[in-house]
Amino acid sequence: NAGVTQTPKFRILKIGQSMTLQCTQDMNHNYMYWYRQDPGMGLKLIYYSVGAGITDKGEVPNGYNVSRSTTEDFPLRLELAAPSQTSVYFCASSYASGNYEQYFGPGTRLTVT
Amino acid sequence: AQTVTQSQPEMSVQEAETVTLSCTYDTSESDYYLFWYKQPPSRQMILVIRQEAYKQQNATENRFSVNFQKAAKSFSLKISDSQLGDAAMYFCAYRSAVDYGGSQGNLIFGKGTKLSVKP
Repeated sequence: NAGVTQTPKFRILKIGQSMTLQCTQDMNHNYMYWYRQDPGMGLKLIYYSVGAGITDKGEVPNGYNVSRSTTEDFPLRLELAAPSQTSVYFCASSYASGNYEQYFGPGTRLTVT
Repeated sequence: AQTVTQSQPEMSVQEAETVTLSCTYDTSESDYYLFWYKQPPSRQMILVIRQEAYKQQNATENRFSVNFQKAAKSFSLKISDSQLGDAAMYFCAYRSAVDYGGSQGNLIFGKGTKLSVKP
């Protein structure tokens, strides 16, 4: 099992550009999450999904969009990139909520200049 | 809203010694889960240990153990026989056991503690 994979690993965007961060998991997990990690901070939830076709906002959703057309994939879309979106983005998945472990991808470092 | 506080931005330990990382949290809930995650320089988030709030017994995983004090809302991580590979950022995280329909399964993280291990 590859687990949770994310692409790209690094990206530099200009202000106003758009991009999609890809996330795929091969563990047949229902739950998937997108977090961002700012320097010196813990992770904050952007969006999450409890199954294909179902998504909902987390703590910091502004400036982002998601879709979940399959169980495996959960892409994160950045529209009109801003310097405030410079961060490291992590995708995670879990079988369910509660005590189930969330498995994290390796992260994408995004810089907006 | 729940919050997680890690009051030690940095800690240092000698190899083979024991170190304790502190974590406190604020919640009005009685049922929840607590986690410690490790983030080495590779950035990969790795689950170290987890604790269910309804369990009085402290969780242990090999050299890692926790001291869970529910009344004090404290959840410290003890690393015994520290190894060079333990050097990393450590994050304490909280998850509600109740689904409010707003952020199901959401982990609430502290700011982290950077652990250095001296040879």
